[in-house]
Amino acid sequence: EVQLVESGGGLVKPGGSLRLSCAASGFTFSRYNMNWVRQAPGKGLEWVSSISLSSSYIYYADSVKGRFTISRDNAKNSLYLQMNSLRAEDTAVYYCAREAGPFDSWGQGTLVTVSS
Amino acid sequence: EIVMTQSPTTLSVSPGERATLSCRASQSVSTNLAWYQQKPGQAPRLLISGASTRATGIPARFNGSGSGTEFTLTISSLQSEDFALYYCQQYNNWPPLTFGGGTKVEIK
Repeated sequence: EVQLVESGGGLVKPGGSLRLSCAASGFTFSRYNMNWVRQAPGKGLEWVSSISLSSSYIYYADSVKGRFTISRDNAKNSLYLQMNSLRAEDTAVYYCAREAGPFDSWGQGTLVTVSS
Repeated sequence: EIVMTQSPTTLSVSPGERATLSCRASQSVSTNLAWYQQKPGQAPRLLISGASTRATGIPARFNGSGSGTEFTLTISSLQSEDFALYYCQQYNNWPPLTFGGGTKVEIK
């Protein structure tokens, strides 16, 4: 069974940093592109970032470019999102998602709250 | 950036009735269109990919159609568990990957 488990969310002050992790199991992690998608409270889904199998291709939404860094460790079956210079508008549930064209598997999400 | 527009925002339907949800792309996405279902407090779940292919385990009452810029998700006979939020997403031309704003299917 495919499992994606996010962790690392929490309360952080504006300008602060946070590192999210996503632990993958039940599939060959190194064979899939992976993504982060977020959802602000009461709002829709927003794609954040994508990383290819071997980290050769990395993409970001304009809203996070220059502040967030996506990475992965295939040996550890893990995906990461380093978030710096956090803003109130980054408050959201952050999901990791496996990409197979569409996003065919999602984690349960981790809540990031940016507030003073 | 391809903008995805869903309509209506809210759809009120009685159990057992048909629900028809629309999704429009600002430019052609071929059939690289997915539909997701999201229930309160849960992650989205893939329903449909390739505009019309049901994902594993998705009941036959969910049907997707369309190509290019116009897409439809039809739920033929709404069950209680189908009342939820539905999002479309294009994966044809990215970055960025883009989602529609969602349609809430509520009990009439």
